[in-house]
Amino acid sequence: DQQVKQNSPSLSVQEGRISILNCDYTNSMFDYFLWYKKYPAEGPTFLISISSIKDKNEDGRFTVFLNKSAKHLSLHIVPSQPGDSAVYFCAASAGGGTSYGKLTFGQGTILTVHP
Amino acid sequence: KAGVTQTPRYLIKTRGQQVTLSCSPISGHRSVSWYQQTPGQGLQFLFEYFSETQRNKGNFPGRFSGRQFSNSRSEMNVSTLELGDSALYLCASSRRPTSGGSLDEQFFGPGTRLTVL
Repeated sequence: DQQVKQNSPSLSVQEGRISILNCDYTNSMFDYFLWYKKYPAEGPTFLISISSIKDKNEDGRFTVFLNKSAKHLSLHIVPSQPGDSAVYFCAASAGGGTSYGKLTFGQGTILTVHP
Repeated sequence: KAGVTQTPRYLIKTRGQQVTLSCSPISGHRSVSWYQQTPGQGLQFLFEYFSETQRNKGNFPGRFSGRQFSNSRSEMNVSTLELGDSALYLCASSRRPTSGGSLDEQFFGPGTRLTVL
């Protein structure tokens, strides 16, 4: 049972444009969401996170939007740069002091930004 | 400061053997989580340790086990290896376990690539 889904395996965007990566989840106990970026032969690198009490969090070129009623979150990258080309993972945690560092990951979306 | 280190980086084993993977967290980090990454299943949580205690366990058979030492270093062990255990095993460390809506950022190591023949 895939509790966190990234339905787009890949996304191709032109440099300077907006990249929108989407993620859906089914577990209503999730209360914290994160985006990670992964380059080949490296571990995932934390990008940005959002608590379920918020609907938007911004950090530089990266913005994450959370729609709890739709159980949907998205990552916007503006403007996209070729160095953003990587695999992006959406992850969720059902914290509440019991699930600690257990993250449930989506399958990942390969983002390619063309110069 | 140094990041999360994992040893070995690459490993080739045969079916039926056992393997031990090691993870050294970032200095000062006391929480260590392990994940398995495969093309078919993606990144899946294995277990998490804090202060030498297993805090959470994912849906993996008992052949997968782990432990954490007093210096926060962690090892995971897989016994009776199967072909399907071929994967990238990632370790992540954080300062403390999560609590009520706040998640300490997890820093991932580069992983150990295990191939079972």
